Amino acid sequence: DTGVSQDPRHKITKRGQNVTFRCDPISEHNRLYWYRQTLGQGPEFLTYFQNEAQLEKSRLLSDRFSAERPKGSFSTLEIQRTEQGDSAMYLCASSLVVSGYGYTFGSGTRLTVV
Amino acid sequence: QQQVKQSPQSLIVQKGGISIINCAYENTAFDYFPWYQQFPGKGPALLIAIRPDVSEKKEGRFTISFNKSAKQFSLHIMDSQPGDSATYFCAASLTGNTPLVFGKGTRLSVIA
Repeated sequence: DTGVSQDPRHKITKRGQNVTFRCDPISEHNRLYWYRQTLGQGPEFLTYFQNEAQLEKSRLLSDRFSAERPKGSFSTLEIQRTEQGDSAMYLCASSLVVSGYGYTFGSGTRLTVV
Repeated sequence: QQQVKQSPQSLIVQKGGISIINCAYENTAFDYFPWYQQFPGKGPALLIAIRPDVSEKKEGRFTISFNKSAKQFSLHIMDSQPGDSATYFCAASLTGNTPLVFGKGTRLSVIA
């Protein structure tokens, strides 16, 4: 078990381009979460999955954002037509559906839109 | 609408001293309150968590104090060390496995 893995660690893209991030959760974890963190702020919830089902999406997740978790394993987060305001750290976390069990976060993907 | 308010924004403590970080919440339906520690370039890591049926939980040098009537909880770091220098986040959720709502964080610096 190597923890939650996120790829890439850093991404620089031009405004208007599409980007996709990948998250590999801890293998036995059935919950997977995406958060966004900007400088000096706490993580903000974007969306989460239980197995392959997307259970909730935040109002922060505009229609330019889409997330998938095919087969309940890894997940991808895609941002279309990136804007400078999308620049942030995108964090993935996983957990078991057991009351009181904390999240394990990955190290994040830092996106810079220029 | 910020559901979890954290203070102070930054904190400087002498080595060996006690670091205290406070959080207040609004939603009385919250029943799981974790604290996370984050180092630069890393994701947050779970430090300690508490449920509202207890008023205090201690793990090593870290203690959570919980005041249900005041809707407040705090993190105490005893014998603070330079290695504790990090950003700390409080959080809350409706159960142990629904999306966490995070505070804005406290940057702790422990100086020798």
